[in-house]
Amino acid sequence: AQKVTQAQTEISVVEKEDVTLDCVYETRDTTYYLFWYKQPPSGELVFLIRRNSFDEQNEISGRYSWNFQKSTSSFNFTITASQVVDSAVYFCALNLEETSGSRLTFGEGTQLTVNP
Amino acid sequence: DTEVTQTPKHLVMGMTNKKSLKCEQHMGHRAMYWYKQKAKKPPELMFVYSYEKLSINESVPSRFSPECPNSSLLNLHLHALQPEDSALYLCASSQVGEISAGGPPVQFFGPGTRLTVL
Repeated sequence: AQKVTQAQTEISVVEKEDVTLDCVYETRDTTYYLFWYKQPPSGELVFLIRRNSFDEQNEISGRYSWNFQKSTSSFNFTITASQVVDSAVYFCALNLEETSGSRLTFGEGTQLTVNP
Repeated sequence: DTEVTQTPKHLVMGMTNKKSLKCEQHMGHRAMYWYKQKAKKPPELMFVYSYEKLSINESVPSRFSPECPNSSLLNLHLHALQPEDSALYLCASSQVGEISAGGPPVQFFGPGTRLTVL
């Protein structure tokens, strides 16, 4: 069975601070895929990144960066110089290879509040 | 067009009412999904349609009845709901197919319908 744990239920920071959202996953599969989604108050889940288990290269996209470490089964997400518009719930999710198409196991989510 | 639209945005219904939620996408995706999301919880998968055929039903009660009339539309028919069914109902769409080297298809979500059952 697979599981995704986001231990941080809520995080509150002041604008321009850096913040890291933790994601730890469990799976016995050697091939798997990890996702991050953002859910702003409007409700829509916005896709941020997809990473497969063979690619441990860290990724940077503007103020966002992701650190994937198979040794610790973690796929953490860092926002640099946070902004009020980053306030949202962030979900980490896992998708296994044997599943046809896309079937996501979500973590419980982390509510990020960025205060001005 | 990379948008998934859902109507209505909000719906209030009594336990004896019949209503429908609608979802539409024009990205050429052939997989469409319904999720239920309670407050402060992650989305829970309800149904998956692949090429307009129901491929996954996550043991959802029969008071929820999905329908996929064509590749762009997905409906969720509601009848005799309970107050505990009040939630945000999210629709998503994606490509179909076995996982490729790049990974499973990315799901694109709509803004949801916030349902309240009185």
